[in-house]
Amino acid sequence: SSELTQVPAVSVALGQTVEITCQGDILDNYYASWYQQKPGQAPLLVIYETRNRPSGIPDRFTGSSSGNTASLTITGARADDEADYYCHSRDSSAKQVFGGGTKVTVL
Amino acid sequence: EVQLVESGGGLVKPGGSLRLSCAASGFTFSSYSMNWVRQAPGKGLEWVSSISSSSSYIYYADSVKGRFTISRDNAKNSLYLQMNSLRAEDTAVYYCASAYDSSGNDYWGQGTLVTVSS
Repeated sequence: SSELTQVPAVSVALGQTVEITCQGDILDNYYASWYQQKPGQAPLLVIYETRNRPSGIPDRFTGSSSGNTASLTITGARADDEADYYCHSRDSSAKQVFGGGTKVTVL
Repeated sequence: EVQLVESGGGLVKPGGSLRLSCAASGFTFSSYSMNWVRQAPGKGLEWVSSISSSSSYIYYADSVKGRFTISRDNAKNSLYLQMNSLRAEDTAVYYCASAYDSSGNDYWGQGTLVTVSS
């Protein structure tokens, strides 16, 4: 299966840590990326190749992976981290797939 | 300044056609694979299609295969999506986006809305 499964919503207290997971068989073989999307905006790449941060992305965003599960951890959550987060990968036929998205609420 | 500017969206009847365009500037367009990604109102992101830098490799989501055609013109720094036999479920904001490079740089447009309705 080429599906990526995410929990629909999580909440985190201001300054605390939250982990968002993404599960799918394709993650055994292919990198995960993570996108942040705020209302009315285009997605923003925050993690690529499972654990790399593009320049300009704060180091409070970290990516990791174990088996068929990729994770995005936000350490010391800030109010402006409130957004939808999507994992992304590809399958063996080079088709790309996004997870269903996780809405992160910062309390 | 990097810019990706989509155009061509609008209201179309079921079964109709539209051609989306994406004009790129501020980066070496011809070096990047490019994608179309869509987002239905209130829904998540859905990958639609991708094309390699030289157009050698083209891929489509099953939901659009046989109806949509992606193309590019590197001389004009432009990406296109020809959409035929449109359905109500194709209603979405369509984003033009580059693949990310080795440094994690990727570029997205602001999207163009396609509404399929009678």
